[in-house]
Amino acid sequence: DVKVTQSSRYLVKRTGEKVFLECVQDMDHENMFWYRQDPGLGLRLIYFSYDVKMKEKGDIPEGYSVSREKKERFSLILESASTNQTSMYLCASSLTSGIPSEQYFGPGTRLTVT
Amino acid sequence: AQTVTQSQPEMSVQEAETVTLSCTYDTSESDYYLFWYKQPPSRQMILVIRQEAYKQQNATENRFSVNFQKAAKSFSLKISDSQLGDAAMYFCAFSFGRGGNKLTFGTGTQLKVEL
Repeated sequence: DVKVTQSSRYLVKRTGEKVFLECVQDMDHENMFWYRQDPGLGLRLIYFSYDVKMKEKGDIPEGYSVSREKKERFSLILESASTNQTSMYLCASSLTSGIPSEQYFGPGTRLTVT
Repeated sequence: AQTVTQSQPEMSVQEAETVTLSCTYDTSESDYYLFWYKQPPSRQMILVIRQEAYKQQNATENRFSVNFQKAAKSFSLKISDSQLGDAAMYFCAFSFGRGGNKLTFGTGTQLKVEL
């Protein structure tokens, strides 16, 4: 079974703090994704990576950065957390293929910024 | 840019009955892929079903089937013989199949299953 794990299920941070969200997958997937999930807005793509050290902006990258130093690990960084970044953050991974393969999701991190 | 619209924020169904969740999308592309994902309460999102746009036949996975109407840009999910375990948030999603297989999601439909 593919497993995608995220470092924390719940996280509370203060405004202005630097926040790291970690995601690890164990199936040698090339692609990794970070989404945020908000009620009424669905999932929105923040960043994705299709290879080590490669990254591309998604639909809402402002206020976030990412790091992928190893194939299995994809980190989301909030340089200076703000209250409007309070949300559920989901990580996902998938294989690269001609046909879009299934994305496998982690359990999510519910981040509260106070 | 492509968009995915789910116009039903909440739906309810009686156990053992059938329910249909609606999804429409907008794209100028002719080749793409559509998905339904399920997010149970406090559990991880999982893929329910996938449809390739070039296939005319509607995809089916056990009690789950889709009604894909390419001209109308409609992709609804039918759940037959609903079970309590079907209660979840359901997301419709779209992918071009390139550019890293990025997904564009709809806003979700919360499905409640009642006894």
